Amino acid sequence: DGGITQSPKYLFRKEGQNVTLSCEQNLNHDAMYWYRQDPGQGLRLIYYSQIVNDFQKGDIAEGYSVSREKKESFPLTVTSAQKNPTAFYLCASNFRLAGGYNEQFFGPGTRLTVL
Amino acid sequence: AQSVSQHNHHVILSEAASLELGCNYSYGGTVNLFWYVQYPGQHLQLLLKYFSGDPLVKGIKGFEAEFIKSKFSFNLRKPSVQWSDTAEYFCAVNAQAAGNKLTFGGGTRVLVKP
Repeated sequence: DGGITQSPKYLFRKEGQNVTLSCEQNLNHDAMYWYRQDPGQGLRLIYYSQIVNDFQKGDIAEGYSVSREKKESFPLTVTSAQKNPTAFYLCASNFRLAGGYNEQFFGPGTRLTVL
Repeated sequence: AQSVSQHNHHVILSEAASLELGCNYSYGGTVNLFWYVQYPGQHLQLLLKYFSGDPLVKGIKGFEAEFIKSKFSFNLRKPSVQWSDTAEYFCAVNAQAAGNKLTFGGGTRVLVKP
């Protein structure tokens, strides 16, 4: 089955610990994205990557870090510097289209709770 | 700041009622417009999209949306809802000037009572 997988589905961490969320896609998509979803705020872009070994900050990158060493993988690390890390995290991907845009496809999400 | 606004945070209606969800954006220039839906416990999935052409677009499950450029709006409609339409709905905009990024509205939670 082609798609985007995120693991784990639920994650609990103590305050002050870094945690890494996994995102893998087998759609051969060029670009990958991380969003954070909070009630009433929709989805907000944390980081995105349009090609391997390159990524850009989104609107709320502070306290997060990413890497893109392989086309199919885009892990997100929530660091202890993130002041309010408890949220639902969504990963997405799409094909890059020169001069245009392709719809994004989304993974099932990881709900992170920091105690 | 450029943004996407959804007017209603929560909507409650009965089966067979009509649904209209508002979406306005503040980007100038060329835009690509989307409505996504998130059913309870499921992935975010695309309902419909507008890139160009006929401003009235039809999507899955009987939904449609109308792009009104002069009003910077892309409202979602369904003439007769079902209990299974209970979900959260998100409007999203890709502004060509912003590159390969989407900006989402705050979402509208829709509860359809049987």
